[in-house]
Amino acid sequence: SQQGEEDPQALSIQEGENATMNCSYKTSINNLQWYRQNSGRGLVHLILIRSNEREKHSGRLRVTLDTSKKSSSLLITASRAADTASYFCATGVEGKLVFGKGTKLTVNP
Amino acid sequence: DAGVIQSPRHEVTEMGQEVTLRCKPISGHDYLFWYRQTMMRGLELLIYFNNNVPIDDSGMPEDRFSAKMPNASFSTLKIQPSEPRDSAVYFCASSLGGLLPRYNEQFFGPGTRLTVL
Repeated sequence: SQQGEEDPQALSIQEGENATMNCSYKTSINNLQWYRQNSGRGLVHLILIRSNEREKHSGRLRVTLDTSKKSSSLLITASRAADTASYFCATGVEGKLVFGKGTKLTVNP
Repeated sequence: DAGVIQSPRHEVTEMGQEVTLRCKPISGHDYLFWYRQTMMRGLELLIYFNNNVPIDDSGMPEDRFSAKMPNASFSTLKIQPSEPRDSAVYFCASSLGGLLPRYNEQFFGPGTRLTVL
């Protein structure tokens, strides 16, 4: 299985702090994606990083990818209460995504 | 575009009844995916279609589950007969295919919360 595994399972921080979530996977990938899921909602795509990229930024998000270690990290800087959600990594191969079980992030005001 | 549309949003039924979940993908997307999400198992891919053709149904739990995509703008997931262990949130997602990895981004619908009593 090439399922991504997020770490930690849950993370609680104060508003303004940075949040870092990690993802490990098992096999070669085309790309790795991060999604956010607010409670009771569908998943929303945040960012995609290709296998030949090492780092990517989007607003307050920074994603790194280390294919030699088969791992990725998502950093959310200057967190806000609205960032409270579950975050999933998904490994993409041939149009198919396999999702991890997610990190539940709570940002306390 | 309205995004991926799913109906119903909530479904409560009794064990043994037939349940049909519906999905309208984003216009122009040629991949459609059905997922199931539970606390215990997380998000599981059940089946996906490319250009209305089922490509991989290895995630469909058993013969009680079936999915169809009669045209590019509509898909159904049917459970017959339903069982309490089928209770979950079912998501439909669509994406563009193609050679560029960018097109693997998936757009999710709001989900159908199914409760089987």
